[in-house]
Amino acid sequence: RKEVEQDPGPFNVPEGATVAFNCTYSNSASQSFFWYRQDCRKEPKLLMSVYSSGNEDGRFTAQLNRASQYISLLIRDSKLSDSATYLCVVNVDTDKLIFGTGTRLQVFP
Amino acid sequence: NAGVTQTPKFQVLKTGQSMTLQCAQDMNHNSMYWYRQDPGMGLRLIYYSASEGTTDKGEVPNGYNVSRLNKREFSLRLESAAPSQTSVYFCASSEVNLGGTDTQYFGPGTRLTVL
Repeated sequence: RKEVEQDPGPFNVPEGATVAFNCTYSNSASQSFFWYRQDCRKEPKLLMSVYSSGNEDGRFTAQLNRASQYISLLIRDSKLSDSATYLCVVNVDTDKLIFGTGTRLQVFP
Repeated sequence: NAGVTQTPKFQVLKTGQSMTLQCAQDMNHNSMYWYRQDPGMGLRLIYYSASEGTTDKGEVPNGYNVSRLNKREFSLRLESAAPSQTSVYFCASSEVNLGGTDTQYFGPGTRLTVL
């Protein structure tokens, strides 16, 4: 089983739609969780951290379910500029992160 | 602040040639990392350095060496390039927050082709 698994997509959604991505992780000792965004042929950039209580940043909401070992990202009111690959990231110890292969989102007009 | 910089941006090598990828950060981070990214594989850790003077192997270290020259710079060397090393290479640096989280900042990447 991969340490971090994501649905590769692509998710094709119209502008204004709500879309959700899920990610599962295998190491129950993991403490830190993140969503990164990667545009085509660019470097990954931190989108948001994921906290146990869940957190929201504008149109983006991240949730963590430790019992089921999954993380979710919800994007509301999708914009064309949200088109990118979203990487689920989990730490395995203080200094190392494991990256999922990413879920590709394409928002169309 | 430039953040994390990498050189070169593109490189084509012949099998057996050697080269060094350079990375520098100006954020005073202790930890630095080298990843490779291949289609369908995600980012895989090659080597990392938790602090100046230390380096450790990651998931895919074979065929690579690294040097943590000082706190700012972390280089990756391919001694004898192979076609399997064709990939996009990203350098990253990180801080460890008070909460124990680990935010990584990436350079723009080096696209390497080995013929």
